[in-house]
Amino acid sequence: GNSVTQMEGPVTLSEEAFLTINCTYTATGYPSLFWYVQYPGEGLQLLLKATKADDKGSNKGFEATYRKETTSFHLEKGSVQVSDSAVYFCALSDTPGAQKLVFGQGTRLTINP
Amino acid sequence: KAGVTQTPRYLIKTRGQQVTLSCSPISGHRSVSWYQQTPGQGLQFLFEYFSETQRNKGNFPGRFSGRQFSNSRSEMNVSTLELGDSALYLCASRLDSASGEQFFGPGTRLTVL
Repeated sequence: GNSVTQMEGPVTLSEEAFLTINCTYTATGYPSLFWYVQYPGEGLQLLLKATKADDKGSNKGFEATYRKETTSFHLEKGSVQVSDSAVYFCALSDTPGAQKLVFGQGTRLTINP
Repeated sequence: KAGVTQTPRYLIKTRGQQVTLSCSPISGHRSVSWYQQTPGQGLQFLFEYFSETQRNKGNFPGRFSGRQFSNSRSEMNVSTLELGDSALYLCASRLDSASGEQFFGPGTRLTVL
């Protein structure tokens, strides 16, 4: 079946450091890929998405590129801020437009000032 | 525009009881999905409703059920509660069943004692 594997957390960085959170997937066909962020006490928010190979999603300084050859969708940010502290989830949707998402385990990120 | 609302936010039940959780989607959204979030299993898809019809279902026992009303509000019910049902239950809505971003609510934290 379809699955998403994320980098184990927690991840702790200093402010202004470079961030990479690895995400790889297993899926048949051509899934859409997503990164969601969950702040304490809140639901999930869509951070960025990509719907086909080589697409780059970007938002709030975060980027991720859909790499079909390596089945990866790694999240990167050049300079993190304390306000980026949250849990990040990589997810896929295996049917175009489908509501059902398959999530990775989540990576807790803490940024220290 | 108000976001997705879920009630109650917190709930404590004992084993064997049943529980009903409510979700009000964003105004105009007709598709609602439910997810269970636990530390051990992560985020797992429960079911999706569109226009009062269940469109998709995850791998959960029949104790988990749901419905959607004509105003798109949705409820999920868990009967004969088990300790393992303790989780954060997230609801997500989107405009229709074929496309668009999913917007998540803050969740209902269910504790089963």
